[in-house]
Amino acid sequence: DAKTTQPPSMDCAEGRAANLPCNHSTISGNEYVYWYRQIHSQGPQYIIHGLKNNETNEMASLIITEDRKSSTLILPHATLRDTAVYYCIVRFFYNQGGKLIFGQGTELSVKP
Amino acid sequence: SAVISQKPSRDICQRGTSLTIQCQVDSQVTMMFWYRQQPGQSLTLIATANQGSEATYESGFVIDKFPISRPNLTFSTLTVSNMSPEDSSIYLCSVRYSTNEKLFFGSGTQLSVL
Repeated sequence: DAKTTQPPSMDCAEGRAANLPCNHSTISGNEYVYWYRQIHSQGPQYIIHGLKNNETNEMASLIITEDRKSSTLILPHATLRDTAVYYCIVRFFYNQGGKLIFGQGTELSVKP
Repeated sequence: SAVISQKPSRDICQRGTSLTIQCQVDSQVTMMFWYRQQPGQSLTLIATANQGSEATYESGFVIDKFPISRPNLTFSTLTVSNMSPEDSSIYLCSVRYSTNEKLFFGSGTQLSVL
């Protein structure tokens, strides 16, 4: 699975959009981009995933560049409860039973 | 979403002892995984728990230290054997349903070894 690079930390003002970048320059055509987050003292939580097209659900939007070498997770109206570590993961959809390999992630702090 | 129960939620253990962590899921799942999260670090995959056969371990993890059982499609255990303070971590169970590509995680077991 391709490696990802994320900034170690970011701040965001409450009510503003949080834009979390992820670089995955070695991604291959069959690899999906997944986003999970981990709120302190909890297990990771699935947010969203995509292959080529932009995706949106009730939690967030995922914007993938045309060359698929990078992506951005957007939390449209960040709240204090969105303070967490966000992990960008790239993997083949059917790889080895679906295991995920986590990188270091981005620690997002939403401030009042 | 999945209901995953991990027990115990936390424990304090003495060096040289062993602890078995249980993971119970509310319905049958295809895949079960065990992760470790050391203080201030990201998650590291320990192994894939295979139903009815030996677990598949990631590089750096061995069966003698982390024996895993999975007797059926809803239950698995991870044992941390002959513990040392370096084993102090959060241990997390995660599952994948056969018809859903998401991974769901339990709330973890906070282990402290003295």
